[in-house]
Amino acid sequence: DAKTTQPNSMESNEEEPVHLPCNHSTISGTDYIHWYRQLPSQGPEYVIHGLTSNVNNRMASLAIAEDRKSSTLILHRATLRDAAVYYCILRVPRDDKIIFGKGTRLHILP
Amino acid sequence: DTGVSQDPRHKITKRGQNVTFRCDPISEHNRLYWYRQTLGQGPEFLTYFQNEAQLEKSRLLSDRFSAERPKGSFSTLEIQRTEQGDSAMYLCASSTGQGATEQYFGPGTRLTVT
Repeated sequence: DAKTTQPNSMESNEEEPVHLPCNHSTISGTDYIHWYRQLPSQGPEYVIHGLTSNVNNRMASLAIAEDRKSSTLILHRATLRDAAVYYCILRVPRDDKIIFGKGTRLHILP
Repeated sequence: DTGVSQDPRHKITKRGQNVTFRCDPISEHNRLYWYRQTLGQGPEFLTYFQNEAQLEKSRLLSDRFSAERPKGSFSTLEIQRTEQGDSAMYLCASSTGQGATEQYFGPGTRLTVT
């Protein structure tokens, strides 16, 4: 399975944008880039996914590099509730299970 | 609340005892997954079902572990002869369709083996 590399932790101030990076240099053409997050004492929740083009939804934006070897999850205006572990995951359409890494622990400072 | 429920939320048991966890997925979801998460790590895949058929089992799922989904609705995960190394959060997720579709996770069952 292709792997991703994320910083162990990041800090951001409340009400400011947050850019969470992910490197996936061995990504293949059929790999989708998925992001999940896990709030304290909860199960993971889906955030966003994309293949080649940048994607936006109500939770976040996903910016994908032109060569697809890296991507950035963007939280436009962080709140304290966004403090969580964020997982960047590569998934192929035929694969049903999710392979999680350690993710990035995001701390939001009030 | 994602619509996936798990019971119990917490379980403390003594080494050697058997435990059973239950997961109720979102009703129209035909795929159900079990994951295990230890402290500081991401969740690890254990097994998954499509309807009542168990389609894949991880090597992490030793002979002491068994999972069922008898009517294609709720699922149970049983651990026999628990060991301290089984202490973890057990997460259930469900999804519709196949392939890399969004999975909806429950809150998990935290198992502590003393």
